[in-house]
Amino acid sequence: GAGVSQSPSNKVTEKGKDVELRCDPISGHTALYWYRQRLGQGLEFLIYFQGNSAPDKSGLPSDRFSAERTGESVSTLTIQRTQQEDSAVYLCASSRINTGELFFGEGSRLTVL
Amino acid sequence: AQKITQTQPGMFVQEKEAVTLDCTYDTSDPSYGLFWYKQPSSGEMIFLIYQGSYDQQNATEGRYSLNFQKARKSANLVISASQLGDSAMYFCAMRENLNNDMRFGAGTRLTVKP
Repeated sequence: GAGVSQSPSNKVTEKGKDVELRCDPISGHTALYWYRQRLGQGLEFLIYFQGNSAPDKSGLPSDRFSAERTGESVSTLTIQRTQQEDSAVYLCASSRINTGELFFGEGSRLTVL
Repeated sequence: AQKITQTQPGMFVQEKEAVTLDCTYDTSDPSYGLFWYKQPSSGEMIFLIYQGSYDQQNATEGRYSLNFQKARKSANLVISASQLGDSAMYFCAMRENLNNDMRFGAGTRLTVKP
C-alpha cells in the first residue's frame, strides 16, 4: 500500500522479554518518527530520523529503548527487557524532508504481562 | 519544557454548533509549523489543518479553521457546525525549523451531543 505500514499490529509479551517493532514509511519520505501513546494519553516523542543525519534520540525513556533506520527506508524500534509500563501503542509516522504533515501508521499495540 | 499546551482535557458541544479547542505553544525559532490532528476511537491519526509561522492568513479547511495569534503564541482550532462524527481526541502539534522534530500537546477530548 501507499501508507505507513507497521508490524506487528498487536504484540503480547512477558515481562523481561525483548520486542522489536517495525515501521515501513511512505516511499520518498526522508523523515521518520516514533511515538508512544499510553491508554488515554497523548503522543510521547521517542526518536526522529532525518535522512542520513544523526537521529534525535532525546525522547527515548531509557537505555532499554533503541531504534535503527536503514537509509530512508524501514525502521525498527527495539525494547529490551520489557516492563509492564512499556505497555502502549507505538506509533510510527513519516513525512517529506522537514516540512509538511506527518502520515501515521496504525500503530503497534504492545502489552507486557 | 512543555512546548505545546492544550488546557482543555475535555470539551462538550451541541451538534451543529461551533467549538474552539485551545492550543498555545512556546518557541524561539522564527520559522515553525502548527498542526492539528484528530484521533477517533479507532486510533488512527488524521491530519486536519496546518498553519505556517509566516502565513498571513488563518488556515481553513472545510469546517476547520485555525485562529492563529502569533504574538500570543496561540493556534486554536475552530470547528464549525459540529457533527456527531467529530467526537474524538484532538491534538495540536508544532514542528520547529531548527530541529524538525514534531511535538504534540496532551490532547482535548471533544464530545458532540445530539
